[in-house]
Amino acid sequence: GENVEQHPSTLSVQEGDSAVIKCTYSDSASNYFPWYKQELGKGPQLIIDIRSNVGEKKDQRIAVTLNKTAKHFSLHITETQPEDSAVYFCASGTYKYIFGTGTRLKVLA
Amino acid sequence: DTGVSQNPRHKITKRGQNVTFRCDPISEHNRLYWYRQTLGQGPEFLTYFQNEAQLEKSRLLSDRFSAERPKGSFSTLEIQRTEQGDSAMYLCASSFEVNTEAFFGQGTRLTVV
Repeated sequence: GENVEQHPSTLSVQEGDSAVIKCTYSDSASNYFPWYKQELGKGPQLIIDIRSNVGEKKDQRIAVTLNKTAKHFSLHITETQPEDSAVYFCASGTYKYIFGTGTRLKVLA
Repeated sequence: DTGVSQNPRHKITKRGQNVTFRCDPISEHNRLYWYRQTLGQGPEFLTYFQNEAQLEKSRLLSDRFSAERPKGSFSTLEIQRTEQGDSAMYLCASSFEVNTEAFFGQGTRLTVV
């Protein structure tokens, strides 16, 4: 069945350092790859997404890369700030979205 | 429009009771999704609608669960004869079309005691 693996499950970085979260998906038909940030008690909020016809996308301090051959995609956050602390989820899909298990990011001031 | 709205935000019910949750999507969005999220896990897909048609149901959705979207606008998710294992956050999301941003609501947290 469709599956998305996400690593690491927890990540602690010093403020100003970079954070990288990696995901692997199983469904070769997947063509849309969103990343969500979820804060305690709230619903997930989209922070960036990428489609299968693009290899990389950047939005200020956030970037996502996609390797369709290897079925890998990654989230990169540069110059991390304490407010980046949250749980991050990757997802992949075609007409529905399958989520990874999440990465709890802690940015230490 | 202020986004996807879910009601209630919290629900505590006794085992065996029926519960119903409501989701109001963003008004021009054709697609509506229901997900379930347990502590420390990612959202798990339950079902989705294209307008009023329910196009797919996950195997996670037992026959105690039913979802409707009668006029292609709001949706309801009903759980009959609740069990303790149903305790979770139930999330609703909507999107304009396939492979576009899905906006999530704040969720309904269900506790079955």
